[in-house]
Amino acid sequence: NAGVMQNPRHLVRRRGQEARLRCSPMKGHSHVYWYRQLPEEGLKFMVYLQKENIIDESGMPKERFSAEFPKEGPSILRIQQVVRGDSAAYFCASSPPRRQGEDTQYFGPGTRLTVL
Amino acid sequence: AQSVTQPDIHITVSEGASLELRCNYSYGATPYLFWYVQSPGQGLQLLLKYFSGDTLVQGIKGFEAEFKRSQSSFNLRKPSVHWSDAAEYFCASLISNFGNEKLTFGTGTRLTIIP
Repeated sequence: NAGVMQNPRHLVRRRGQEARLRCSPMKGHSHVYWYRQLPEEGLKFMVYLQKENIIDESGMPKERFSAEFPKEGPSILRIQQVVRGDSAAYFCASSPPRRQGEDTQYFGPGTRLTVL
Repeated sequence: AQSVTQPDIHITVSEGASLELRCNYSYGATPYLFWYVQSPGQGLQLLLKYFSGDTLVQGIKGFEAEFKRSQSSFNLRKPSVHWSDAAEYFCASLISNFGNEKLTFGTGTRLTIIP
């Protein structure tokens, strides 16, 4: 049973380019979450998605960032026109369908984005 | 709004010594509580979690944590640390409310093990 998969593991972009980060949840998991970890900081929530729906995007920057979780395929976090401040580790987590008492999120290895 | 505080940024202990990492949460109701460990350059691995019931929770790798409502704490403990325990440890909370599932993390405690 494969865990949460993220690719690429490392991504280098120049300022102004686009970054696409992919996340495949664990088998049977229908909920995906994206978190960002800036250097020397904890993880900060960005967005929570279910298949074809954005449930909570309260942690997403208002501009340049978007996320999707299509019916087929991985979840995508997209950052347009990247700036140096976007350099961070981006983690995806997944959880199974909701039921009371089981709200554990399992994390992928992360994508480390470096903006030159 | 919920918040999680880890007062210790960096802790150094000797191999074989006992360990306690502190975590305090701030929220009116009892949240779900988690401890995750992150090795350098890696993702987060779940150590243990508390949802309800027994306040002493056993996790993987010999870790345990105790939920104390009166102190709003969920401290992580291990009786004897190993060099492989050197890592960053994150406490997190989650308010179980349909539609509001985000984890709130503390800033982490970096654990260094000395021989």
